[in-house]
Amino acid sequence: DAGVTQSPTHLIKTRGQQVTLRCSPISGHKSVSWYQQVLGQGPQFIFQYYEKEERGRGNFPDRFSARQFPNYSSELNVNALLLGDSALYLCASSLAGVRGSTDTQYFGPGTRLTVL
Amino acid sequence: AQRVTQPEKLLSVFKGAPVELKCNYSYSGSPELFWYVQYSRQRLQLLLRHISRESIKGFTADLNKGETSFHLKKPFAQEEDSAMYYCALSNNFNKFYFGSGTKLNVKP
Repeated sequence: DAGVTQSPTHLIKTRGQQVTLRCSPISGHKSVSWYQQVLGQGPQFIFQYYEKEERGRGNFPDRFSARQFPNYSSELNVNALLLGDSALYLCASSLAGVRGSTDTQYFGPGTRLTVL
Repeated sequence: AQRVTQPEKLLSVFKGAPVELKCNYSYSGSPELFWYVQYSRQRLQLLLRHISRESIKGFTADLNKGETSFHLKKPFAQEEDSAMYYCALSNNFNKFYFGSGTKLNVKP
């Protein structure tokens, strides 16, 4: 298993554009989480999905949205891009999203988004 | 509100010296605490979690609820320990809150 995979690796967009980032979890993992990591900071939680349902949302504006597909892969969409959206976007998968428990998260390599 | 604080951006020690990476948290409930590590050109990966109470690569961390701390310790640092270390908190709903990270540099 290649582990969590993300595409694309790098992306350059201009302000106001829209972007879609993709994530494929480890085989058998049903939960996917998205994080934003700005240079010099730790990852910031954006969303968690389990079985196609949103299980958690961080403090991000509505310009950020996500979805999970039947094969458990996920997409993160960001509309009306701002310069401040420039960051490394990390995806993490875990075995299950059982409420009240915390599974080990396995991270992908990230997508580097640059907004000009 | 949940918050994780790592006061040191950079920690430099000599090989064989003890190392302690500090982590303090604020959370009103019963959190789960983790340490994640990112070696150069590698992915972020779990180092240890407090509920396991295990030692990984010689590292240990004890949850001190009174001081709301979860410091990472190793008695004898090795050069291969040089990496970025992140403390993280989970509120039991698979939402993780990460600190800003501490870069550990182990000098020969």
